[in-house]
Amino acid sequence: EAGVVQSPRYKIIEKKQPVAFWCNPISGHNTLYWYLQNLGQGPELLIRYENEEAVDDSQLPKDRFSAERLKGVDSTLKIQPAELGDSAVYLCASSLGGLLDNEQFFGPGTRLTVL
Amino acid sequence: GEDVEQSLFLSVREGDSSVINCTYTDSSSTYLYWYKQEPGAGLQLLTYIFSNMDMKQDQRLTVLLNKKDKHLSLRIADTQTGDSAIYFCAESITGGYNKLIFGAGTRLAVHP
Repeated sequence: EAGVVQSPRYKIIEKKQPVAFWCNPISGHNTLYWYLQNLGQGPELLIRYENEEAVDDSQLPKDRFSAERLKGVDSTLKIQPAELGDSAVYLCASSLGGLLDNEQFFGPGTRLTVL
Repeated sequence: GEDVEQSLFLSVREGDSSVINCTYTDSSSTYLYWYKQEPGAGLQLLTYIFSNMDMKQDQRLTVLLNKKDKHLSLRIADTQTGDSAIYFCAESITGGYNKLIFGAGTRLAVHP
């Protein structure tokens, strides 16, 4: 079974440019998460989707970050414009969802460098 | 508030046991997790423990939970070079779904 797929794996851009990350969760997983992982830190939740609905986006900086999961399967996270402080690893995770949902599966991440 | 703390670095000799410690603050946590992250990779779930348990053993891994002190530990028996990685402790926050709060990670270095 394929795991969580993310692309690109690495991205280098100049500040003020836009950037987008893509995630395809494990087949059948209703819940999708985007996390931000700064160097030397643990992941921090940015947004969580239940199917196509964003049910927790309280930590997403909405002035420059946006996300979508239009058909409830794959998802895109966008930053526009990027700032130097956005350099980090962006992780996508998925889980089955539901009351007994207690395991999240992580993708390899996209490492963003903003110059 | 919600906070998970871990020591940043642990060095052990190959074949010895490793013990990685973690403290958390939310007494209503339902599950506590240990994830492993190798360089350039995502997080891999190693094991988890339900908050009403004291101990869980899974092959070389032993998780101990002291709910009174909000202390979690991961013991790796017979540590191998392939165990070198960053280990993250995480607690799930109640509130209708499994929101994870991660510690900063403990880097485990295994030397011959």
